[in-house]
Amino acid sequence: EIVLTQSPATLSLSPGERATLSCRASQSVSRYLAWYQQKPGQAPRLLIYDASNRATGIPARFSGSGSGTDFTLTISSLEPEDFAVYYCQQRSNWPPLFTFGPGTKVDIK
Amino acid sequence: QVQLVESGGGVVQPGRSLRLSCAASGFTFSNSALHWVRQAPGKGLEWVAVISYDGSHEFHADSVKGRFTISRDNSKNTLSLQMNNLRAEDTAVYYCAREGGVSIAEASHFDFWGQGTLVTVSS
Repeated sequence: EIVLTQSPATLSLSPGERATLSCRASQSVSRYLAWYQQKPGQAPRLLIYDASNRATGIPARFSGSGSGTDFTLTISSLEPEDFAVYYCQQRSNWPPLFTFGPGTKVDIK
Repeated sequence: QVQLVESGGGVVQPGRSLRLSCAASGFTFSNSALHWVRQAPGKGLEWVAVISYDGSHEFHADSVKGRFTISRDNSKNTLSLQMNNLRAEDTAVYYCAREGGVSIAEASHFDFWGQGTLVTVSS
């Protein structure tokens, strides 16, 4: 079973600052790495899929990168609405089983 | 627009059963694989199950295998989750989500989510 680790657990930043979130897999994953944003009381929202593809309607300040075991979500300049919890997610080859990381909370400094 | 609306949650005693439903609209239901994902109160996300566009393939997380069954009715645009022998650790908000990949073989991410339905397992 592939385990995803996210760091840091909490990231305290101010609006306008750059956020860099890390997701590390216990073994190499394919390109199947996605990122989600979740705000309190809401369902998660897809941000990035296949490591670097922005989902429909996602602002360009969100970008994803990485391959193998190390992936990064970057928010180039934080907007007030970006303060939330972010999860990474991957799938195994076969059978298709899916796992999430424990999340990174981005809060206001 | 894509809409996924879950129903069927509630309070249930340990060992009992519950069936969740997800009504879909705004897209061609029979073309999409679908998932259930859950989130225990104050915790992270846990994938539960996936079913192929035509129902011919289904996969479940080890934590629910043998107790939960995912199914779909393409004539009614409805996804279901039959949950048997419920345990306290099954307490969570259950989300249905659409698969963003083109097939279950290429399944990789969840592009649309419902708002969830809360299941509480308690005596």
